[in-house]
Amino acid sequence: EPEVTQTPSHQVTQMGQEVILRCVPISNHLYFYWYRQILGQKVEFLVSFYNNEISEKSEIFDDQFSVERPDGSNFTLKIRSTKLEDSAMYFCASSGGGLQETQYFGPGTRLLVL
Amino acid sequence: QKEVEQDPGPLSVPEGAIVSLNCTYSNSAFQYFMWYRQYSRKGPELLMYTYSSGNKEDGRFTAQVDKSSKYISLFIRDSQPSDSATYLCAMSATGGSYIPTFGRGTSLIVHP
Repeated sequence: EPEVTQTPSHQVTQMGQEVILRCVPISNHLYFYWYRQILGQKVEFLVSFYNNEISEKSEIFDDQFSVERPDGSNFTLKIRSTKLEDSAMYFCASSGGGLQETQYFGPGTRLLVL
Repeated sequence: QKEVEQDPGPLSVPEGAIVSLNCTYSNSAFQYFMWYRQYSRKGPELLMYTYSSGNKEDGRFTAQVDKSSKYISLFIRDSQPSDSATYLCAMSATGGSYIPTFGRGTSLIVHP
């Protein structure tokens, strides 16, 4: 069964450093998403991406964040100048033919900013 | 008022029990309703998906939507220890943003 994969599974970084989280969505999916989940809190939407551009973003997704689809398979989230409060689980998701299609989540990257 | 409310639990039941998990919501534009299961330190896994009102059954799982009450439920029959996880409801609207809004999740513990 096809699945979304994410690397790394864990990332520890120093405050102020840049991190890149990587995702490989399901191969025939067209819509890609990033979410985060701070420990013990709700899953929160960050950004959606379609046709090589951002289609929607939340207020969390400020200039510190960027997304890219550098090739035909990878989807990345870059966090510049990380802050302590960026520590969270980051989930990538993808969906098929339309925005109303259900989203399939990857296993997540646990980011710890020290 | 929060858009999606879900009791975080934990809900502890004996093996074989019928489990009822619920969410309420305030946004009447929500039309798509989803239940995800999330094991500890893993990504959410889609369990059930319904559109608008009504019931949907899949094996031991039944999802119900009551739009008039803005209330959705997930029932698990013959619960198993392997069902122990956090269950997240999520919902989205039509005609604009389909981005799901999640509940906090209910932690379920099924003990043998």
